[in-house]
Amino acid sequence: AQSVTQPDIHITVSEGASLELRCNYSYGATPYLFWYVQSPGQGLQLLLKYFSGDTLVQGIKGFEAEFKRSQSSFNLRKPSVHWSDAAEYFCAAVKAAGNKLTFGGGTRVLVKP
Amino acid sequence: NAGVTQTPKFRILKIGQSMTLQCAQDMNHNYMYWYRQDPGMGLKLIYYSVGAGITDKGEVPNGYNVSRSTTEDFPLRLELAAPSQTSVYFCASTLDGSGSYEQYFGPGTRLTVT
Repeated sequence: AQSVTQPDIHITVSEGASLELRCNYSYGATPYLFWYVQSPGQGLQLLLKYFSGDTLVQGIKGFEAEFKRSQSSFNLRKPSVHWSDAAEYFCAAVKAAGNKLTFGGGTRVLVKP
Repeated sequence: NAGVTQTPKFRILKIGQSMTLQCAQDMNHNYMYWYRQDPGMGLKLIYYSVGAGITDKGEVPNGYNVSRSTTEDFPLRLELAAPSQTSVYFCASTLDGSGSYEQYFGPGTRLTVT
């Protein structure tokens, strides 16, 4: 069965420190991959997406993600976090030409001053 | 554009009551979705629609019904509310054929069934 796994439920990081969120997928073929962010009390907003090509993709708010086929991973990174990055982050996938996203369980990020 | 709107924002239901969660989008998107979000479980797809008059079940459809009479609206109906339906519900939409696959989400409805 297709699945997306985010191994870390919570991550606490100091403001100004780097952040990396992990995402692994299990699909028959490489899916299209997404990272969404959910600020408290809000809906989900797309940070970035990967379909093919360059394995390092840039997104909004200073985030980037790296696709690694050999590890079935699509990890999200930010070099220096801001207090406003405190939110829940979801990795999601859809099979190519599909129309139903599968979401990971989410990682909640807390930012310490 | 208002994007995807949902009403109400919050609702408390008693067991056995019924209600409809409203969802509307003004982006002329053909695909619309309903998800529920439970802590630590991510989002689970309840129902989706590929266009007016066409709906299909997602991963967790039991206890829910949907209809899609117009492109803009995609209401979700709970007929006999149960405590297991306590959750946050999100509606989303996307334009199939755009090559984007980006889903646009509403702000959510927090439902408590007691």
